[in-house]
Amino acid sequence: EVQLLESGGGLVQPGGSLRLSCAASGFTFSNYAMNWVRQAPGKGLEWVSGSSGGGGTTTYADSVRGRFTISRDTPRSTLDLQMTALRPEDTAVYYCAKAATQSIAAADLYLDYWGQGTLVTVSS
Amino acid sequence: SYELTQPPSVSVSPGQTASITCSADKLGYKFASWYQQKPGQSPVVVIYEDTKRPSGIPGRFSGSNSGNTATLTISGTQTMDEADYYCQAWDSSTVVFGGGTKLTVL
Repeated sequence: EVQLLESGGGLVQPGGSLRLSCAASGFTFSNYAMNWVRQAPGKGLEWVSGSSGGGGTTTYADSVRGRFTISRDTPRSTLDLQMTALRPEDTAVYYCAKAATQSIAAADLYLDYWGQGTLVTVSS
Repeated sequence: SYELTQPPSVSVSPGQTASITCSADKLGYKFASWYQQKPGQSPVVVIYEDTKRPSGIPGRFSGSNSGNTATLTISGTQTMDEADYYCQAWDSSTVVFGGGTKLTVL
């Protein structure tokens, strides 16, 4: 059974940093691209970042590029998101989501499993 | 950047057919996926690669994609189908979501 468990959310001041982690199990981690998707309170889904199965390719939404860094630890089957220079508009539930493809650049990419999410609140 | 446009809301009576559209330039040349999200829950994929249903998704869910529009169709809509629905495509190494459609079954 595929399981994705996010952790690391919390309250942080504007300009601060936070590191999210996603523990994956139930599948061969290195065979699949992984993503972070966020949802601001009462709003829709926004893709944040993705990492290819081997970790060699990473991509970012324009809204977070240069501030967020995605990384994966294959032996531990974990996906991290290092967030810096946080802004109030980064407040959201952050979901870890597994892609059905190994490549993050696959035209047929879709997200077949999602974690329960972790809430990040950026406020003074 | 590539944008997917969905109607904010769609209403349907129980047992009727609901159609939710997702529009973008030449979307038919890309693969579209659809996600269902109920309040307080994580999204669940209900259609991928335009027309395919994951195991466990009821047969009343179907999809199509042609021209500039992808459509999620729910036949014989049930009250349990009331949820937010999001379309998704891939473009230039990024995952793109539509703004979401709230389906009301009443």
